[in-house]
Amino acid sequence: AQKVTQAQTEISVVEKEDVTLDCVYETRDTTYYLFWYKQPPSGELVFLIRRNSFDEQNEISGRYSWNFQKSTSSFNFTITASQVVDSAVYFCALSEAWMAGANNLFFGTGTRLTVIP
Amino acid sequence: DVKVTQSSRYLVKRTGEKVFLECVQDMDHENMFWYRQDPGLGLRLIYFSYDVKMKEKGDIPEGYSVSREKKERFSLILESASTNQTSMYLCASSLRETGEKLFFGSGTQLSVL
Repeated sequence: AQKVTQAQTEISVVEKEDVTLDCVYETRDTTYYLFWYKQPPSGELVFLIRRNSFDEQNEISGRYSWNFQKSTSSFNFTITASQVVDSAVYFCALSEAWMAGANNLFFGTGTRLTVIP
Repeated sequence: DVKVTQSSRYLVKRTGEKVFLECVQDMDHENMFWYRQDPGLGLRLIYFSYDVKMKEKGDIPEGYSVSREKKERFSLILESASTNQTSMYLCASSLRETGEKLFFGSGTQLSVL
């Protein structure tokens, strides 16, 4: 069975601090995809990144970076030099390859990040 | 820019009412989805559709039905609303080729009294 765990329910940081959002997943499939979505106060989830299970290279996009470690089944998300605009709920999600076409994402419960000015 | 529009941001209904939640996307996406979002539970898939007139049950379809008569429109129907259906409802769409890259609407906060 698939499972995505985001143990941090809420995190508060002061602006310019770095923050890491944790995501741990469970799957029996060898081919799967991992995602992060951001939900700002407006409510509209925004796609951030998609990684497949064969690509363990870390990725950096501006102040955002993602650390994928198969050995620990984790796909953590780090925001460097946080800004108030980063305040949002962040969701980690998993999709297994056998369900491709069914397009079914399993979402974690989300982490609410508050960046204090 | 892809736009997914949900007809109402806030909706208040009474128990037993039939409720329609409408969603329209303007980018010719094949796939459309309805999720509900509840505190501590994340997003749970209710129904999805990968083509006109096609629908598939998600994880929690009980008490809901859907309609997709046109490619751009996906409606969620609560046949007889109950208080446990009070929730945030999110519509999303995606291309067949990049299915998991979802584009979401802003959500409808439904309160059933």
